Amino acid sequence: DAKTTQPTSMDCAEGRAANLPCNHSTISGNEYVYWYRQIHSQGPQYIIHGLKNNETNEMASLIITEDRKSSTLILPHATLRDTAVYYCIVRPPYNFNKFYFGSGTKLNVKP
Amino acid sequence: EAQVTQNPRYLITVTGKKLTVTCSQNMNHEYMSWYRQDPGLGLRQIYYSMNVEVTDKGDVPEGYKVSRKEKRNFPLILESPSPNQTSLYFCASSLYPDLYEQYFGPGTRLTVT
Repeated sequence: DAKTTQPTSMDCAEGRAANLPCNHSTISGNEYVYWYRQIHSQGPQYIIHGLKNNETNEMASLIITEDRKSSTLILPHATLRDTAVYYCIVRPPYNFNKFYFGSGTKLNVKP
Repeated sequence: EAQVTQNPRYLITVTGKKLTVTCSQNMNHEYMSWYRQDPGLGLRQIYYSMNVEVTDKGDVPEGYKVSRKEKRNFPLILESPSPNQTSLYFCASSLYPDLYEQYFGPGTRLTVT
């Protein structure tokens, strides 16, 4: 699986958009980009995933660059409850093991 | 409510005393897996199961056993726990064996002294 690089931490003001970057320069053609988050030692929670098109759901938007070497997760209006560690994961479909969560980005949403 | 449950949530035990952490899901998911989370090492997969009676090793299976006799249950067994198995453990399940729809349990914090 392609490895990912994320900043260790980021701050965001409550109500503003949070933009979390992820670098995956060795991504292969069939590998998806997934985002999960983990709030203070709770079980990780799925956010969104994509292959090459931008994606949006009720939680967030995912922007993948045209060369697919990087992506950005956007939380449009961050709240204090969005404070969490955000993991960017790259892996091929139907890969039953070798899930690599990495160390993620700690997002601190401040009032 | 769709959920993955784990028991116990907290456990302190001694080296060598066999223990089982239970995991149950009520979503009729075929795929289940176990992870451990340690500071600086992130989440690492221990074992996974594609369906009843079908299990396979993840990245860190040493010292653990699993069984899948029913679709809803996937217990994690530590036959002879050691201090290096002190960790936060998560069970997860998904309808399909793919990452994006994995539902995680609340976690079990295990301390082995």
